[in-house]
Amino acid sequence: EAQVTQNPRYLITVTGKKLTVTCSQNMNHEYMSWYRQDPGLGLRQIYYSMNVEVTDKGDVPEGYKVSRKEKRNFPLILESPSPNQTSLYFCASSRDRGGDYGYTFGSGTRLTVV
Amino acid sequence: GQNIDQPTEMTATEGAIVQINCTYQTSGFNGLFWYQQHAGEAPTFLSYNVLDGLEEKGRFSSFLSRSKGYSYLLLKELQMKDSASYLCAVRGDGAGSYQLTFGKGTKLSVIP
Repeated sequence: EAQVTQNPRYLITVTGKKLTVTCSQNMNHEYMSWYRQDPGLGLRQIYYSMNVEVTDKGDVPEGYKVSRKEKRNFPLILESPSPNQTSLYFCASSRDRGGDYGYTFGSGTRLTVV
Repeated sequence: GQNIDQPTEMTATEGAIVQINCTYQTSGFNGLFWYQQHAGEAPTFLSYNVLDGLEEKGRFSSFLSRSKGYSYLLLKELQMKDSASYLCAVRGDGAGSYQLTFGKGTKLSVIP
């Protein structure tokens, strides 16, 4: 089944403890992206990657890192999480820059930083 | 930059028709998408418009006017399961043509 898989689904952590949220897609998509979703603010892009070893900042990159060492994986790293990073996170991938494909989203990761 | 506006909330009756509007001001345009998102779940793709006009897909239709920076999503024969948030998203062009910028979403409540 074609899908984007995120792990974990739920995570509670403490301020300053490094964490990684994994994202993997099995559709051979070039493009992958991370979003966070907060009440009243909608989906905001954190980082995106147009291909292996090519990443760039989105609208809200502060406090996050990403890497794209292989096409299928695009982990999101929080080196020193803070409470304002408590949010619902979505990974998404896309086949190419044209056409009506849009994005395929993962199931989401609900992160709480205390 | 991109600016996308849609109403925050709407309420409609089961069996009725509802239209959700979206206006956008963008530095580039290469398509407009509508997504449905149930609470706590991932957004799922509903429709795509890149040319002016109406695209129909079963109970759902989407309209685009590029000159006016305007789109709407039309839902017919509303069902209780249509209660969800509806997200309008614009794709840029050129170097940004992979990127989708989302509006804040319209929360639709369908009542009996």
